[in-house]
Amino acid sequence: EAGVTQFPSHSVIEKGQTVTLRCDPISGHDNLYWYRRVMGKEIKFLLHFVKESKQDESGMPNNRFLAERTGGTYSTLKVQPAELEDSGVYFCASSPIGEADTQYFGPGTRLTVL
Amino acid sequence: AQTVTQSQPEMSVQEAETVTLSCTYDTSENNYYLFWYKQPPSRQMILVIRQEAYKQQNATENRFSVNFQKAAKSFSLKISDSQLGDTAMYFCAFMNGDQGAQKLVFGQGTRLTINP
Repeated sequence: EAGVTQFPSHSVIEKGQTVTLRCDPISGHDNLYWYRRVMGKEIKFLLHFVKESKQDESGMPNNRFLAERTGGTYSTLKVQPAELEDSGVYFCASSPIGEADTQYFGPGTRLTVL
Repeated sequence: AQTVTQSQPEMSVQEAETVTLSCTYDTSENNYYLFWYKQPPSRQMILVIRQEAYKQQNATENRFSVNFQKAAKSFSLKISDSQLGDTAMYFCAFMNGDQGAQKLVFGQGTRLTINP
């Protein structure tokens, strides 16, 4: 069974540009989560989808971040326009319904904003 | 709000030794879960062990065990007979037991190096 996949693995962009990160959860997992780790700090929750609906977006830092999960399968996280402080590693995780206590993580996307 | 603190940014031990990673947390909840995740170099994060707060017995997974002290809000991870493959970043994490609150709250991480 394929694990959680994320694309790209690494993105380098300039301040003011737009970047879109993609996450493919494990097949059949209705829960999808986004987290990020800004350099040297702890991993922080961004938001949680149940199928295509946003269950909790309390961790989204500001309106430059837009997450979508059309069709309840893969999800995208767009940052527009990117700022220097957005640099870090963005993780995606997924879990089956009713099993939020077992989240499977993807390898992460390392975003560098210059 | 819940917080998780890992006071050891880095640790290093010799292969086959036992090592204990510290984690403390703060919460007013009574029903919650605690986790240790491991992220090896250039690889994805995997769950090492989990503990339900209502269980008094400490969780164990092969060479990995926890010392869960609920009153002290402490959740340390012990790795016995450490192996080179245990080299990784280790993250302690908390989750509220309420099904509507599924986010993980992480500590800052401990970089563990096992030396040959």
